[in-house]
Amino acid sequence: EAGVAQSPRYKIIEKRQSVAFWCNPISGHATLYWYQQILGQGPKLLIQFQNNGVVDDSQLPKDRFSAERLKGVDSTLKIQPAKLEDSAVYLCASSLITGVRETQYFGPGTRLLVL
Amino acid sequence: DAKTTQPPSMDCAEGRAANLPCNHSTISGNEYVYWYRQIHSQGPQYIIHGLKNNETNEMASLIITEDRKSSTLILPHATLRDTAVYYCIVRVTQFSGGSNYKLTFGKGTLLTVNP
Repeated sequence: EAGVAQSPRYKIIEKRQSVAFWCNPISGHATLYWYQQILGQGPKLLIQFQNNGVVDDSQLPKDRFSAERLKGVDSTLKIQPAKLEDSAVYLCASSLITGVRETQYFGPGTRLLVL
Repeated sequence: DAKTTQPPSMDCAEGRAANLPCNHSTISGNEYVYWYRQIHSQGPQYIIHGLKNNETNEMASLIITEDRKSSTLILPHATLRDTAVYYCIVRVTQFSGGSNYKLTFGKGTLLTVNP
């Protein structure tokens, strides 16, 4: 079974530029998450989708971050404009919720450096 | 904020059992204890979860105290490839059809397995 795919794996941009990340979840997984992981910290949830609807985006900085999952499969996360503090690893995860138990499967992440 | 407390780091000799503690004194009756790990430069990986009974799978064992205020993840025969950050997470599970299965990661425990 193929895992969660993310691209690009690395990105370097200057502050105030825009950047977009792409995620392809495991086939059949209805739930998709985007996390931000700053160096030395655990991942922090940015947004959760159920199919193509947003379930939780309470921690997404909406003035500069946006995310979409138009057809309920792939998703993109965009930052516009980027700030120095956005330097982090952006992780995508997906899950197939079965009953009340759920296992999230994570992709390898996109490492962003903002200069 | 994370609802768990873990030591920042631990060492273990290769081939020995690694016992990783976690305190979750404010856990509620319907919250599960989850363990994930993150090997360097990879996304987190699910290990195991439990409610109140001890659990075992091919990766590890999870021992939860009777009062559920703490737990221990046991890797029975640690190898060098088990070197990783281990996250203990208490997760609220909504049974009412909502899909907010939020994982709140702390800083975890860096387990170093030495040859």
